[in-house]
Amino acid sequence: EAGVVQSPRYKIIEKKQPVAFWCNPISGHNTLYWYLQNLGQGPELLIRYENEEAVDDSQLPKDRFSAERLKGVDSTLKIQPAELGDSAVYLCASSLGGTGGEQYFGPGTRLTVT
Amino acid sequence: QQPVQSPQAVILREGEDAVINCSSSKALYSVHWYRQKHGEAPVFLMILLKGGEQKGHDKISASFNEKKQQSSLYLTASQLSYSGTYFCGTEMLGYALNFGKGTSLLVTP
Repeated sequence: EAGVVQSPRYKIIEKKQPVAFWCNPISGHNTLYWYLQNLGQGPELLIRYENEEAVDDSQLPKDRFSAERLKGVDSTLKIQPAELGDSAVYLCASSLGGTGGEQYFGPGTRLTVT
Repeated sequence: QQPVQSPQAVILREGEDAVINCSSSKALYSVHWYRQKHGEAPVFLMILLKGGEQKGHDKISASFNEKKQQSSLYLTASQLSYSGTYFCGTEMLGYALNFGKGTSLLVTP
């Protein structure tokens, strides 16, 4: 079974430029998560989707970050404009849904903002 | 609320045992454990649900003390492949996982 797919794996952009990340979750997984991971830290939730609905986006900086999950499958996370402090690894994860379910993570996108 | 993990780092020789602790100040529904190797995605190890159960696979096991809101991960007879950073994620009913800062484990030959 294919795992969570993310692209690109690496991205280098200049500050103030836009950037987008793409995630394809495991087939049949209704819940999709976007996390941000800084060096030496654990993943921090940005947004959680149940099917197409964003059920938890309280930690998403909405002035510059946006996300969508059309048709309840693939998802895109966008930053516009990027700032130096956005440099981090952006992880996508998926799960079957419901409380207490294991999450499966993608390889992440390492973003460097110069 | 972010759980607190201890120790921050540990170095073992192959075959030695280790315990990693995770504690929360909030009433938890479940505790998740993940291992992440450098440059890779976190990999799911196990979930412990409210009820104080203990789980394990291979030589890695964990317990959850819901009275103390603490979980411990036990690695016995460590192998080189156990090296990585271990994260606990704590879950309150209806809320998303909160991950700790991680415990870096290095197993040497």
